[in-house]
Amino acid sequence: DAKTTQPPSMDCAEGRAANLPCNHSTISGNEYVYWYRQIHSQGPQYIIHGLKNNETNEMASLIITEDRKSSTLILPHATLRDTAVYYCIVRVRTGSYQLTFGKGTKLSVIP
Amino acid sequence: DAGVIQSPRHEVTEMGQEVTLRCKPISGHDYLFWYRQTMMRGLELLIYFNNNVPIDDSGMPEDRFSAKMPNASFSTLKIQPSEPRDSAVYFCASSLRGINYEQYFGPGTRLTVT
Repeated sequence: DAKTTQPPSMDCAEGRAANLPCNHSTISGNEYVYWYRQIHSQGPQYIIHGLKNNETNEMASLIITEDRKSSTLILPHATLRDTAVYYCIVRVRTGSYQLTFGKGTKLSVIP
Repeated sequence: DAGVIQSPRHEVTEMGQEVTLRCKPISGHDYLFWYRQTMMRGLELLIYFNNNVPIDDSGMPEDRFSAKMPNASFSTLKIQPSEPRDSAVYFCASSLRGINYEQYFGPGTRLTVT
């Protein structure tokens, strides 16, 4: 799987949009971008994934640059419950690959 | 849907005792995964099943660990005998389409072996 780089921590005011960046400059053409998060003392939670088009679901939006070397996860209206560690993962959909989390970004939503 | 259900949520046991962790996947999901998470090693895949059949158990640390899936709605992870280094949070996850698709995790079992 391609290596990803995320900032170690970010703050966001409650009610504002949280924009979490991820660099994956070595991504290959068949690798997807996945985002998970882990709230303290809970299991990881799937958020969203995409290949090259921007994606949106009820939780978030994923913006992937045209060259696919970076992406941004957007939480449109952050709440205190969005405080968590967010993981950006790049992986193919074939073979037997473990879901490997890096260090992620610790997002703190501030009242 | 209730999501992935795990029990117990917390387990404290003494070294040498047998420990059994339980998981109920999301109904209709054909894939079930067992993970272990520690501060030192992060999230590690131990084993996963497809249609109740173990597909890859290469992550199982040693023979003390075993996992079963007798039916589509139940799986167990057993450690016998347990050791202090087994202390970790154990997660069960399920997926509708496979290991490389989105996985849905349970709340985890925090195991402490003294």
